[in-house]
Amino acid sequence: AQKVTQAQTEISVVEKEDVTLDCVYETRDTTYYLFWYKQPPSGELVFLIRRNSFDEQNEISGRYSWNFQKSTSSFNFTITASQVVDSAVYFCALSDPISNFGNEKLTFGTGTRLTIIP
Amino acid sequence: GAGVSQTPSNKVTEKGKYVELRCDPISGHTALYWYRQSLGQGPEFLIYFQGTGAADDSGLPNDRFFAVRPEGSVSTLKIQRTERGDSAVYLCASSSSGWGNSDTQYFGPGTRLTVL
Repeated sequence: AQKVTQAQTEISVVEKEDVTLDCVYETRDTTYYLFWYKQPPSGELVFLIRRNSFDEQNEISGRYSWNFQKSTSSFNFTITASQVVDSAVYFCALSDPISNFGNEKLTFGTGTRLTIIP
Repeated sequence: GAGVSQTPSNKVTEKGKYVELRCDPISGHTALYWYRQSLGQGPEFLIYFQGTGAADDSGLPNDRFFAVRPEGSVSTLKIQRTERGDSAVYLCASSSSGWGNSDTQYFGPGTRLTVL
């Protein structure tokens, strides 16, 4: 069965510090996708990144970077020079193929609440 | 362009009542998903539509829950005989994927359902 573990329930850091959010997943599939979503206080899930299981290259987008390591089944997310606007709940998710279709439903972790202290 | 919209944003109902929650996906998106998010948890899959048909409804908790998408666009999630345990935020997502492809799901703001 698919499973996503976000062991860090809550993290607080002072503004401008770097912070890493951990994500560990379990799957029997050889092809899958990993995602990160941000859920600010407004409640809407905001898509951040989608990564194919065959692409293990790290990705950087501005202050955000992602480290995908298949050997440890981890897909960690780092925010550099954090800002107050980064305060939110962050969810890691794993695709779960729907039989006979190309689409996938998502299995989410329980989320990490990140608070950036000004 | 317009994102996924959901109405109402909040719904308060009494135990035993019937409720309908509406989702309007991004224009042109053929795939539509419903998820439920309980307090302090991540979203959990309920049902997936490809076009008008429910391709996977394995996440629906019981037969009180039903969803339709008659014209392949707007979808309605229907809950009969609501129970207090149904209280949660119901999220809708859509993606542009067609048959044999996969694409990113974009989420709406959700409907917060409270059953008294």
